[in-house]
Amino acid sequence: EAGVAQSPRYKIIEKRQSVAFWCNPISGHATLYWYQQILGQGPKLLIQFQNNGVVDDSQLPKDRFSAERLKGVDSTLKIQPAKLEDSAVYLCASSPRLAGAHEQFFGPGTRLTVL
Amino acid sequence: QQQVKQSPQSLIVQKGGISIINCAYENTAFDYFPWYQQFPGKGPALLIAIRPDVSEKKEGRFTISFNKSAKQFSLHIMDSQPGDSATYFCAAGTTKTSYDKVIFGPGTSLSVIP
Repeated sequence: EAGVAQSPRYKIIEKRQSVAFWCNPISGHATLYWYQQILGQGPKLLIQFQNNGVVDDSQLPKDRFSAERLKGVDSTLKIQPAKLEDSAVYLCASSPRLAGAHEQFFGPGTRLTVL
Repeated sequence: QQQVKQSPQSLIVQKGGISIINCAYENTAFDYFPWYQQFPGKGPALLIAIRPDVSEKKEGRFTISFNKSAKQFSLHIMDSQPGDSATYFCAAGTTKTSYDKVIFGPGTSLSVIP
């Protein structure tokens, strides 16, 4: 079974530029998560989709961050404009929406550096 | 109330020793407590998880101890090996709502030295 795919793996941008990250979850997984992981900290949920609908975006800085999940499969996370404090690893995870199945499967992440 | 506290921040253990990581939570609505393991350059991966209706769960060298009244849980790694060197995250979540939600602790960096 293929895992969660993310691209790019690394991105370096100047502040005030825009950037986009892509995620392809495990086939058949209904739930998709985007997390921000700042160096030395635990993953912080930015947004959670169930199929193609948003179920939680309470911690997403909506003035600069946006995300969409096309046709309930792939997802993109965009930052525009980026700030220095956005430097972090952006993790995508997915999970099946099955009774008793709560494990989240993470991709390798995209490391963003904002200069 | 949504925070998950974790200690220690870092831990050095000799090969063959026991590694112990502790976590605490506030929200009594949490009903799912997973531990994730993360190696450098990789995403976290589920290691073991427990429900609050049991006080202990063991899988191989990994054991979760759960104290519901104290709202604390811990991970014990027996016979620690250099390959266990990684960052460990405890988490707490709710599964009885229309969607799962998990809050991660800040992580513990474990180094197992030969």
